[in-house]
Amino acid sequence: DTAVSQTPKYLVTQMGNDKSIKCEQNLGHDTMYWYKQDSKKFLKIMFSYNNKELIINETVPNRFSPKSPDKAHLNLHINSLELGDSAVYFCASSTPGQAFGYTFGSGTRLTVV
Amino acid sequence: RKEVEQDPGPFNVPEGATVAFNCTYSNSASQSFFWYRQDCRKEPKLLMSVYSSGNEDGRFTAQLNRASQYISLLIRDSKLSDSATYLCVVNQGGKLIFGQGTELSVKP
Repeated sequence: DTAVSQTPKYLVTQMGNDKSIKCEQNLGHDTMYWYKQDSKKFLKIMFSYNNKELIINETVPNRFSPKSPDKAHLNLHINSLELGDSAVYFCASSTPGQAFGYTFGSGTRLTVV
Repeated sequence: RKEVEQDPGPFNVPEGATVAFNCTYSNSASQSFFWYRQDCRKEPKLLMSVYSSGNEDGRFTAQLNRASQYISLLIRDSKLSDSATYLCVVNQGGKLIFGQGTELSVKP
């Protein structure tokens, strides 16, 4: 049983297209996140949702729109894809409180050509 | 200045060596601290939390110095399977801030 699952695992698409990445967690966590890991391997938070409510929105282009239909799902839609969007996108979830780390999904490797 | 800074690496060590990673963080309000491990083309996985009193998990020892805003990880008797990137992570206001990671390669 995968705790945090993302689809698709790989995504190759042309500039200007619109694409979505889906994430689901079966851990019963209240909080979910999207992180981006660029070519230099830096992991940066993009968004966080707590029980379907957006709580963290870092400085991310508004071409990126997260949606959380329920607390077990967090999707990421990207409009008008650009070359610079190529990266690995990780979904994660956590329990409330500061003491716990996150559980990450296996990532979606997005390549924009 | 980066919020979380780590040794640049890569570290290339023989099996059985002891290796230490250092990390500093800039925000004194950071509330909790972790080391994560990331294997090539995989997701980060929690290695251990870090406490002010220091904590140990088998061959791994983590230390936190809040006054110096400094975190360390010591790996004793390193194994080939320890080869990975080690990420220093701090929790600030409910979000995890990651360092860039230090790559470790353990050679036979």
